[in-house]
Amino acid sequence: EVHLVESGGGSVQTGGSLRLSCAASGFTFSYYGMNWVRQAPGKGLEWISYISSSGRVISYADSVMGRFTSSRDNAENSLYLQMNSLRAEDTAIYFCARDSLGGYELEYWGQGALVTVSS
Amino acid sequence: SSELTQDPAVSVALGHTVRITCQGDSLRSYSASWYQQKPGQAPFLVLFGKNIRPSGIPDRISGSSTGNIASLTITGAQAEDEADYYCSSRDSSGNHRLFGGGTKLTVL
Repeated sequence: EVHLVESGGGSVQTGGSLRLSCAASGFTFSYYGMNWVRQAPGKGLEWISYISSSGRVISYADSVMGRFTSSRDNAENSLYLQMNSLRAEDTAIYFCARDSLGGYELEYWGQGALVTVSS
Repeated sequence: SSELTQDPAVSVALGHTVRITCQGDSLRSYSASWYQQKPGQAPFLVLFGKNIRPSGIPDRISGSSTGNIASLTITGAQAEDEADYYCSSRDSSGNHRLFGGGTKLTVL
């Protein structure tokens, strides 16, 4: 059974940094692209980053480009999101989500980690 | 355009049929996928490709697409279908992913 478990969320001051982790199990992690998607309180879903199965291709939404960095460790079956220069508008639940093998849909999602940014 | 547009809210009487639509230029190039989310829960995939349901998704949920509009249809809506529904696709460049703003479905 596929499991994705995010950790590392919490409260941070404006301008601070935080690193999220997503531990994967139940599938061959190195075969799949992975994504980060966030949801601000009471708002819709916002895709923020994709990383290919090898980690060589990474893309970001404009809203986080230059501040957030995605990475992965296929030996540890883990996905990471380093978040720097955090702003109040980054307050959200952050989900990791696995691509399908075809890469066109998000087949499995974690339960999310809450990040709160305040002054 | 790099947006997907959904109606914010739709309601349906119990047992009746409802269609939720998603409009965007990227849908001319990429199929939509659809996600259901209930309060306090993570989203999960309910429909993708040319009307494909993941295992466990009831066949009262179906999809279609024409031009730049994708639709999710629930035939015989049940109380448990009450949720937020989001469409998604790659953007026109293929490098990013888009989400629609979501449709809140109320089953009356």
